Amino acid sequence: GESVGLHLPTLSVQEGDNSIINCAYSNSASDYFIWYKQESGKGPQFIIDIRSNMDKRQGQRVTVLLNKTVKHLSLQIAATQPGDSAVYFCAENWGRDDKIIFGKGTRLHILP
Amino acid sequence: DGGITQSPKYLFRKEGQNVTLSCEQNLNHDAMYWYRQDPGQGLRLIYYSQIVNDFQKGDIAEGYSVSREKKESFPLTVTSAQKNPTAFYLCASSISRTGYEQFFGPGTRLTVL
Repeated sequence: GESVGLHLPTLSVQEGDNSIINCAYSNSASDYFIWYKQESGKGPQFIIDIRSNMDKRQGQRVTVLLNKTVKHLSLQIAATQPGDSAVYFCAENWGRDDKIIFGKGTRLHILP
Repeated sequence: DGGITQSPKYLFRKEGQNVTLSCEQNLNHDAMYWYRQDPGQGLRLIYYSQIVNDFQKGDIAEGYSVSREKKESFPLTVTSAQKNPTAFYLCASSISRTGYEQFFGPGTRLTVL
């Protein structure tokens, strides 16, 4: 089906540790993927994107990995900080009708 | 500063009333979108517009209407026909419909009393 899902709804990580948020997508035709961060009561904020011709892309403290073989996307956040507490969700651009499908999100808690 | 704005941030409506949510962008983006977000849920697409004077229904368009008379503006009207309108509404824009990230506004929380 056309769905973008997440393996864990809530993730708690110690401040300073690295965190990994996972996302499974179902459509092998999807060719563009985005990670967003949403803080409480605010609109989603773009973090990083990756196109299907790549398997890794790095930003500032964040890395996105794309495994097309198993249709899996992950977001790695290095040295997590209190400000990283938010809901993170992935989105896929489904080429068939140009839809962008958003996942439900994973809430990341940063423990002091 | 370039960006996308929504107003108001909080909106209260009595049952049976129509209400219009504002969305403005100065990013010169062609595409604009309206999403609805319910607690613990992902974003669901209400309407989108790829160009001025054109718009398409999304997955949950019933009870909503939009207009796109100007490139910068994409207002959403929540009509009395919408059975469960209380939600967080998000407007977004992108350079074009596909292949580019969407920039989101701060959202409007609508509560029906």
